[in-house]
This record gives sequence, structure tokens and C-alpha cells, in this order.
Amino acid sequence: DIQMTQSPSSLSANEGDRVTITCRASQGIRNELAWFQQKPGQAPKSLIYAASNLQSGVPSRFSGSGSGTDFSLTISSLQPEDFATYYCQQYSSYPFTFGPGTKVDFK
Amino acid sequence: QMQLQESGPGLVKPSETLSLTCSVSGDSFTRSGYYWDWIRQPPGKGLEWIGGIYYGGATTHNPSLKGRVTISIDPSTNRLSLELTSVTGADAAIYYCARRRNWEGIDYWGQGTLVTVSS
Repeated sequence: DIQMTQSPSSLSANEGDRVTITCRASQGIRNELAWFQQKPGQAPKSLIYAASNLQSGVPSRFSGSGSGTDFSLTISSLQPEDFATYYCQQYSSYPFTFGPGTKVDFK
Repeated sequence: QMQLQESGPGLVKPSETLSLTCSVSGDSFTRSGYYWDWIRQPPGKGLEWIGGIYYGGATTHNPSLKGRVTISIDPSTNRLSLELTSVTGADAAIYYCARRRNWEGIDYWGQGTLVTVSS
């Protein structure tokens, strides 16, 4: 199985801050990586697919980059509704695997 | 508007079979290029991909579940099903169904259904 790691596991930030979360795959996955946002008590929401493409309706302050084994999710200006846990997932090779999550909370 | 809705018993006894259904509206299982996945999340923990099915019926499962998983679709009712046999406390989780596009990953999720395992 491909192992996914994320860093940091949690971070504290203020509204308006630029935030970057990194995700690493244990082997190359091309660009077959997705990012999801999950708020407490809610289902995950799809943010980004193919490493850098925004899902429909996702604000442009979210961006993704990377290819191969190293990826990142950046929020250019953190908004109150962005405080959540973020997960990466590789869908390059079965079984698909998720990162452990990065919790973004208010400083 | 695409919507997915999971349903099933909230409580299952150890060693029994968990059966869940996902009702899909706003799309058809017969559209090519789409997969339908099951994912679960133990309370307070991370996400685990259980398996998925293509509209033609081909399925893939997570080997970690040791062959206990059956995923099926019924195009006549636009429903996706999950069966998980011989459940234990480790199977207690919120179970989500989701739509996945070829090479583009998951785009839509259901709201999830909580399953507790207890006698």
C-alpha cells in the first residue's frame, strides 16, 4: 500500500494568514492526489483533484501543487470558515489511501 | 444537483453482517467514467477507503478488510450497497458513500451514517 503522510499534524493560525500543508506519498503517484476539507460533524468536502485543480465552487484562495511524491495545499488568506481538518488522498494505486489529516485551528 | 444519502441500521451485533445502502439522485450509475466508493471513519479518527465499484459492476476492495466486503449497484433504483461480514468493534465508524470520476478523484460525498457495533 502507498503510505501518505502530512505535516504538520496541526497548526494554529489567524484569519488572513497564508497557510501551507504538505503531503508526501511513499512512492510516486503522478498527480493523482486529492485534498478534502472536513469540519466537525460534517462529511468531507472535496477541494482539489489531480493535485492542482479546484473542484467546482471551491474558492480561489485554495490552491494545490506537486507531482510524484510531494504535494502541498495552500490557503492564501485564511477565512473563518476554513478552520477545519484537511486530508490528502492518493487515487493512483489500489487501495486508495488517505493522509492522517492536518487540523487548522484559531491561534 | 448530485446527492448521495446513506442509510442502514445504526447498531449491529458483533459477528453479524453490516448492510448499508446509498441512494443517488441527480446522476445515473450507468454513466461511464464514474466509480462509486465506500469510505469509513471511526469516531475521532481518519478516513479509510473500503472499496469501490464501476458502473459496469467491476469492484475493488481494500485488502485490509480481508475479503469481508461486498459492494454492488442496482441501476434500476440508483442505489449502491455495502455488505461487511463478521463485524467487530473495529468496524464501528461513520460510513460514507462517494462518487469518483476517472483520474479526477472523489467529487461528491454523502452525509455519512454512523454504525455502532455492540451486543
